[in-house]
Amino acid sequence: KAGVTQTPRYLIKTRGQQVTLSCSPISGHRSVSWYQQTPGQGLQFLFEYFSETQRNKGNFPGRFSGRQFSNSRSEMNVSTLELGDSALYLCASSRDKTSDTGELFFGEGSRLTVL
Amino acid sequence: AQSVTQLGSHVSVSEGALVLLRCNYSSSVPPYLFWYVQYPNQGLQLLLKYTSAATLVKGINGFEAEFKKSETSFHLTKPSAHMSDAAEYFCAVSDLWGNNDMRFGAGTRLTVKP
Repeated sequence: KAGVTQTPRYLIKTRGQQVTLSCSPISGHRSVSWYQQTPGQGLQFLFEYFSETQRNKGNFPGRFSGRQFSNSRSEMNVSTLELGDSALYLCASSRDKTSDTGELFFGEGSRLTVL
Repeated sequence: AQSVTQLGSHVSVSEGALVLLRCNYSSSVPPYLFWYVQYPNQGLQLLLKYTSAATLVKGINGFEAEFKKSETSFHLTKPSAHMSDAAEYFCAVSDLWGNNDMRFGAGTRLTVKP
């Protein structure tokens, strides 16, 4: 069974640009969550999508957005990039909302560097 | 709101020594608790989880954790450290209702000395 796949793994952007990251969840998983990981702030929850709807949202500015497609694949977008957006962006998937464990399965992440 | 606090950002042990990584939680509803491990340049891998069944939970690689409601703790232990255990460890909490808004602690970096 394939795991969570994130693309691209590494990317470099300059301030003011925008970036789109992609996540393919484990087959059969309908929930996709996104996290930002930085040395200073640790793992911070961005948002969670379930059945194409944003179900939960963390405390990030509107420059951070996401969406989920009918096949459960998800993308997140960051517009008007700032130096502080440099981070490892992790995607995690889980089964549907009736799951009784809430366990998350993580991808290897997309490392974004903003110059 | 749920949260976890990991005590100690860095822990160093000798190979063969006991590993103890501390985690305290705060939750207004019955929690699910997790320990994840992250190796360099990789995502997070689940070590073990507590889901209101047995309070002593056994995970992979010889790790275990005990849920103590009275102390609001979920500390991670391993009797004998191995060099391959060197990594960053994260405690996390979510709620019983399958809400995937999982919150993570700041992480503890474990170093294992030969």
